[in-house]
Amino acid sequence: DGGITQSPKYLFRKEGQNVTLSCEQNLNHDAMYWYRQDPGQGLRLIYYSQIVNDFQKGDIAEGYSVSREKKESFPLTVTSAQKNPTAFYLCASSIDGRGLRTEAFFGQGTRLTVV
Amino acid sequence: RKEVEQDPGPFNVPEGATVAFNCTYSNSASQSFFWYRQDCRKEPKLLMSVYSSGNEDGRFTAQLNRASQYISLLIRDSKLSDSATYLCVVNMNYGGSQGNLIFGKGTKLSVKP
Repeated sequence: DGGITQSPKYLFRKEGQNVTLSCEQNLNHDAMYWYRQDPGQGLRLIYYSQIVNDFQKGDIAEGYSVSREKKESFPLTVTSAQKNPTAFYLCASSIDGRGLRTEAFFGQGTRLTVV
Repeated sequence: RKEVEQDPGPFNVPEGATVAFNCTYSNSASQSFFWYRQDCRKEPKLLMSVYSSGNEDGRFTAQLNRASQYISLLIRDSKLSDSATYLCVVNMNYGGSQGNLIFGKGTKLSVKP
């Protein structure tokens, strides 16, 4: 079945540690996105990538890093520089982020908690 | 003005009611528009795309008014299962070089028996 998979579903991290969230899609989509959602809040864009080996900062990129070495994969690293990392992280993909009518499909999300 | 702005919620309605959500967007060059539904502690799921001519899917109708930069979603004969948060989403294309999806904060709907 085609889809977008995030792992793990729940993640606990100690303060000061880096952690990497996985996002894989087998939909052959060019564009991939990382969003953060805080309780009662909307989605905020962290990073997005239109094509392999290229990515752009979103509205809240500080303290995060990404890579796009393969079309299928867009991992997000939450670094120790991110001051308030506890949140729900959502990965999404779309056929072509620059095209028209490019609806996004989401993974099930990763809940990150800093302990 | 915020890029994508939605009606503040929550909307509490009885079963069978008709409910309308509104959304405005700031970038007149925006090309693509969507409504997503998000259940509590779940990922957003595409409900419907919004086309210039308006479109309908069963009890759901979406409308786009480019002149006013306004999108709407109408739910008729609401069901208990419609209870969720509805997100307005706009694809901001800037000359085809950078595009990304901008989400509104969402409007929470609660349908009561």
